[in-house]
Amino acid sequence: DGGITQSPKYLFRKEGQNVTLSCEQNLNHDAMYWYRQDPGQGLRLIYYSQIVNDFQKGDIAEGYSVSREKKESFPLTVTSAQKNPTAFYLCASSAQGGGTQYFGPGTRLLVL
Amino acid sequence: KNEVEQSPQNLTAQEGEFITINCSYSVGISALHWLQQHPGGGIVSLFMLSSGKKKHGRLIATINIQEKHSSLHITASHPRDSAVYICAVNPQGAQKLVFGQGTRLTINP
Repeated sequence: DGGITQSPKYLFRKEGQNVTLSCEQNLNHDAMYWYRQDPGQGLRLIYYSQIVNDFQKGDIAEGYSVSREKKESFPLTVTSAQKNPTAFYLCASSAQGGGTQYFGPGTRLLVL
Repeated sequence: KNEVEQSPQNLTAQEGEFITINCSYSVGISALHWLQQHPGGGIVSLFMLSSGKKKHGRLIATINIQEKHSSLHITASHPRDSAVYICAVNPQGAQKLVFGQGTRLTINP
């Protein structure tokens, strides 16, 4: 089945620790996105990538890093510089930038 | 002021009622999207439209480009329609979406 997957579903981070959230798609999409959602708020764009080996900062990129070494994969690292990382993280992909986005199931990150 | 505003923020209705959710935006756009987020967090794209009207089952989406306004209608609403409905726009020349805050819809049996 074609789709977009995220792992893990829940992730716990200790103070000062970097954690990496996985996002994989087998839809052959060029564009991939990472969003953060806080309770009662809309989605905010962290990073996006329109093509392999290229990515751009979104609206709230501070404290996060990404890579796009393969078309299928767009992992997000939440670094220790992100002081308030507790949130729901959603990955999405689209055939091209601006097209219909297909979302993964999300990862909930909690700080211990 | 947000570039994308939705109303109402919360909506509770009885099963069978006709539902309307509104979205207004302040920038020129190339497309507008309606998304549905289920209680578990998963998001599904319902519509992408740049003009006129689209229909899928009991869902209808309309857009008026001149007035910078879109509506999502649900006919014969059902408790399984309970979800957060999100409006998002592609600003012209941008490759990313700008999202509204969402409308939480609850349909009571």
